[in-house]
Amino acid sequence: DARVTQTPRHKVTEMGQEVTMRCQPILGHNTVFWYRQTMMQGLELLAYFRNRAPLDDSGMPKDRFSAEMPDATLATLKIQPSEPRDSAVYFCASGLRPGGGAYEQYFGPGTRLTVT
Amino acid sequence: EDQVTQSPEALRLQEGESSSLNCSYTVSGLRGLFWYRQDPGKGPEFLFTLYSAGEEKEKERLKATLTKKESFLHITAPKPEDSATYLCAVQAETSGSRLTFGEGTQLTVNP
Repeated sequence: DARVTQTPRHKVTEMGQEVTMRCQPILGHNTVFWYRQTMMQGLELLAYFRNRAPLDDSGMPKDRFSAEMPDATLATLKIQPSEPRDSAVYFCASGLRPGGGAYEQYFGPGTRLTVT
Repeated sequence: EDQVTQSPEALRLQEGESSSLNCSYTVSGLRGLFWYRQDPGKGPEFLFTLYSAGEEKEKERLKATLTKKESFLHITAPKPEDSATYLCAVQAETSGSRLTFGEGTQLTVNP
């Protein structure tokens, strides 16, 4: 049963520290997404990649967030420096486009980030 | 701007009491409408993709339908294990692979 995996599952850090979240997409999926979910804002798209190339990072605060895909099996999301307002659950999703239709996205279990 | 509105925000049902969740959307050219289920502490789980008005899809006790302005998720004879938050999302033809999500409907099914 192919799944998206994310590490760590939980992270507590102090304001100003660097945070790195990792994602392993489902093998064969060529598109990877990063989302943030909070009670106030719901699910927000931060960035996404296709074939490892960044296509859209307009949802991401550029001054502190960065997303990369060093190879097809690993995507990373970094926050430096972290702030309390970054506390949220961060989801990675990978996607495919069955039959040329819309991209179906499959989500990982998320990383719950708390910045104190 | 693409918009998705889900109603009700919360729904409480008795086991076996069928009902429907609503997802209203405005989008500049619909590429696809998606339904997800999310359990507490977990990521959204993909349920259905609908592409065009009139399309229907079923999975166990769930049936999703689509019109030009809204989608319904019908739950027939629900069980307590159907309790979750149900999310609707749209993908527009002009937005690449971006999904716009609604706020979700929190469903509770009491035994």
